[in-house]
Amino acid sequence: DVKVTQSSRYLVKRTGEKVFLECVQDMDHENMFWYRQDPGLGLRLIYFSYDVKMKEKGDIPEGYSVSREKKERFSLILESASTNQTSMYLCASSLLSTGFDTQYFGPGTRLTVL
Amino acid sequence: AQTVTQSQPEMSVQEAETVTLSCTYDTSESDYYLFWYKQPPSRQMILVIRQEAYKQQNATENRFSVNFQKAAKSFSLKISDSQLGDAAMYFCAYRGAYSGGGADGLTFGKGTHLIIQP
Repeated sequence: DVKVTQSSRYLVKRTGEKVFLECVQDMDHENMFWYRQDPGLGLRLIYFSYDVKMKEKGDIPEGYSVSREKKERFSLILESASTNQTSMYLCASSLLSTGFDTQYFGPGTRLTVL
Repeated sequence: AQTVTQSQPEMSVQEAETVTLSCTYDTSESDYYLFWYKQPPSRQMILVIRQEAYKQQNATENRFSVNFQKAAKSFSLKISDSQLGDAAMYFCAYRGAYSGGGADGLTFGKGTHLIIQP
């Protein structure tokens, strides 16, 4: 089975801190994604990556950056956390560059910024 | 930009009954893919069913089936013989066929919370 893991289930940070959210997949998937999930808004795409060191902006990239130095690992970085970044963050991966491919999700990291 | 609309924030159904979750979408693309994902409480999101827009036949996965109406841009999910384990948030999602292929992310609806009454 595909396994996507995220470094923390719950995280509490202070405004202005630099925050790293880590995601690892164990199935040699090409594509990795970061989504943000908020009640009443569904999931929104922050960034995605289709190869090592490659990244593309999603729908809401402002205030975030990403890093993909190894194929299996995709990090989301909040350079200076703000309270409006309090949310659930979901990582996903997919094997193929076809539109029909299934995305496999991690368990999520619930981030609270105080 | 594509949009996905789920008009039912919450649905409730008796165990063993059938329930239909609604989803409509807006796109100018002719070829695309549609998905239903399930997110159980405190558990990971998983794919329930998917449909290729160029296929007229509705997808079916055991108790889950879709009613895909391309002209109406509608993609509803029917769950037959509802079980307690079906209780979850259900998200409808869209991906265009020509917008970067599978490397592009999904566009999600806001979700429908499905409650199963024992």
